Amino acid sequence: DTAVSQTPKYLVTQMGNDKSIKCEQNLGHDTMYWYKQDSKKFLKIMFSYNNKELIINETVPNRFSPKSPDKAHLNLHINSLELGDSAVYFCASSQGRGLALYNEQFFGPGTRLTVL
Amino acid sequence: RKEVEQDPGPFNVPEGATVAFNCTYSNSASQSFFWYRQDCRKEPKLLMSVYSSGNEDGRFTAQLNRASQYISLLIRDSKLSDSATYLCVVNLSNTGKLIFGQGTTLQVKP
Repeated sequence: DTAVSQTPKYLVTQMGNDKSIKCEQNLGHDTMYWYKQDSKKFLKIMFSYNNKELIINETVPNRFSPKSPDKAHLNLHINSLELGDSAVYFCASSQGRGLALYNEQFFGPGTRLTVL
Repeated sequence: RKEVEQDPGPFNVPEGATVAFNCTYSNSASQSFFWYRQDCRKEPKLLMSVYSSGNEDGRFTAQLNRASQYISLLIRDSKLSDSATYLCVVNLSNTGKLIFGQGTTLQVKP
């Protein structure tokens, strides 16, 4: 009965490869997010989708492409992986578009990506 | 200047101690504020929202000072299970874009 799930949990790959991380939420939320947590532990938002519409698109390389087939899923595809992409990637979801300023965001367990 | 700044610590305290964390934010237009907790190698989880009038949840008290642009978290009667990283979080707008501080690490010792 996991609320926000991500696969895989660990991903080790070579530079230059293309990989995807999947995220699903069963909370019935409208909005989903992708965050990156680097080695210094800073958690930074990358993208957000509300009902399959992109609403936040931070300055990330265009090698990163989110895809939302429906409001319960938000996948992250990364092309031509680089060493600097190594980090923990967290998916999150919240109810509503954030118009209620105190909407809680629920995070998935994270995907630890290591690029060799 | 970072958008949300916290002292990374670590704060090492004995069980039963009272400990306080502060956080400052740079954008005066920030609209809502939170403390999240992150255990080692786990995901962040909401600890509490921070309201203008200050709010309390059991042993935890959060305060907001908009004039000085800082947020605080007070933990009373620390437990071993309080050991974690506490993330100060600011919501800049109504899009749900949260800005996270680096986190303050707390280690409660027996």
